[in-house]
Amino acid sequence: DQQVKQNSPSLSVQEGRISILNCDYTNSMFDYFLWYKKYPAEGPTFLISISSIKDKNEDGRFTVFLNKSAKHLSLHIVPSQPGDSAVYFCAASADTGNQFYFGTGTSLTVIP
Amino acid sequence: EPEVTQTPSHQVTQMGQEVILRCVPISNHLYFYWYRQILGQKVEFLVSFYNNEISEKSEIFDDQFSVERPDGSNFTLKIRSTKLEDSAMYFCASTKDRGAYEQYFGPGTRLTVT
Repeated sequence: DQQVKQNSPSLSVQEGRISILNCDYTNSMFDYFLWYKKYPAEGPTFLISISSIKDKNEDGRFTVFLNKSAKHLSLHIVPSQPGDSAVYFCAASADTGNQFYFGTGTSLTVIP
Repeated sequence: EPEVTQTPSHQVTQMGQEVILRCVPISNHLYFYWYRQILGQKVEFLVSFYNNEISEKSEIFDDQFSVERPDGSNFTLKIRSTKLEDSAMYFCASTKDRGAYEQYFGPGTRLTVT
């Protein structure tokens, strides 16, 4: 049961431009969302989160937007850097600190 | 910076054998998790563990799986009788407490069942 979906398996962006990664979810009970970045041969690394009481959270070059009515969130990276090249996972939870449902990931390539 | 560690990095085993995957969570963390990622697929939740007992488990976590915190530092995942479809990356994660959403992941153990 795909409760969290990332429909774009890959994305290529020029260095300096904006990267927009998208994530859709089906469970209206989800109240907390996270983005993770993963390099090959490493575990996922927490990037940024947002709770359902907000519609935007910003941390440096990373901004997450949440549209609850559309059950959609997005991660914006501005400006994109070659070091941002990785697989990005979104994850959602309906129960704080417990079970998280992950999307299938989007592989971002930032071209120098 | 504190980190979650996992051993071994790669485990090869024959079908039907038992394997134990080991994790050392961050020392002041209280919640522990196991996830797995089959090659090319999404990261899947297996189990969460708090206060020496399972807090929540997924449908994947059936009777062949068990978790244990045998001492104050290690957190283990045992697969009793491995199957070919158990081949995956297994990630351990930990959080400070139930209200802390940020899960710190280890580098993973690649399990190959032949």
